[in-house]
Amino acid sequence: GAVVSQHPSWVICKSGTSVKIECRSLDFQATTMFWYRQFPKQSLMLMATSNEGSKATYEQGVEKDKFLINHASLTLSTLTVTSAHPEDSSFYICSAWNRDSLYEQYFGPGTRLTVT
Amino acid sequence: QKEVEQNSGPLSVPEGAIASLNCTYSDRGSQSFFWYRQYSGKSPELIMSIYSNGDKEDGRFTAQLNKASQYVSLLIRDSQPSDSATYLCAVKKTSYDKVIFGPGTSLSVIP
Repeated sequence: GAVVSQHPSWVICKSGTSVKIECRSLDFQATTMFWYRQFPKQSLMLMATSNEGSKATYEQGVEKDKFLINHASLTLSTLTVTSAHPEDSSFYICSAWNRDSLYEQYFGPGTRLTVT
Repeated sequence: QKEVEQNSGPLSVPEGAIASLNCTYSDRGSQSFFWYRQYSGKSPELIMSIYSNGDKEDGRFTAQLNKASQYVSLLIRDSQPSDSATYLCAVKKTSYDKVIFGPGTSLSVIP
């Protein structure tokens, strides 16, 4: 299978600060990446779809000015949580399509964000 | 009607038994079907993909697809305690569409 990495794996930040999470496809080119959020014991929630070289498409109810997504290369997408608040504390997971495998979708290990 | 439905569980099976996980989907035009396993506190891991009607086997896992009934299942033979996790069913209409996930079924394998 394809490998997707995320950094950092966990982060603690103070309310009002910004946090950047990186997502990389290590052994394939990912023209499309996805960002999910998951609260404890709840389902995955798709936040946005990120296409290389173009603006991200956000799901309904997700604030694009708060969750900034940049997909500048075929192997890297970043999610920046701006002016974080405690309610933004969650498990953020990126995912990427491997177009060499019928667009199977592979997940990164996730980033656990805690805002104090 | 939700796009992808699964029994939430928990489904409990004894060690060594067959665990049967079911999923139904609403879009008859769906073409690609996936099963992911998610351990508590971890991200989902792709364990099976199936694209045509019938069975697909990979080790202890067998995925079954019936497009006429809009039904996908995952069988886990010789269940082990390490199989205890949430299993997510996922569906795509075409290769270029985003994956739609079901809510997941929690499986507990009892030693």
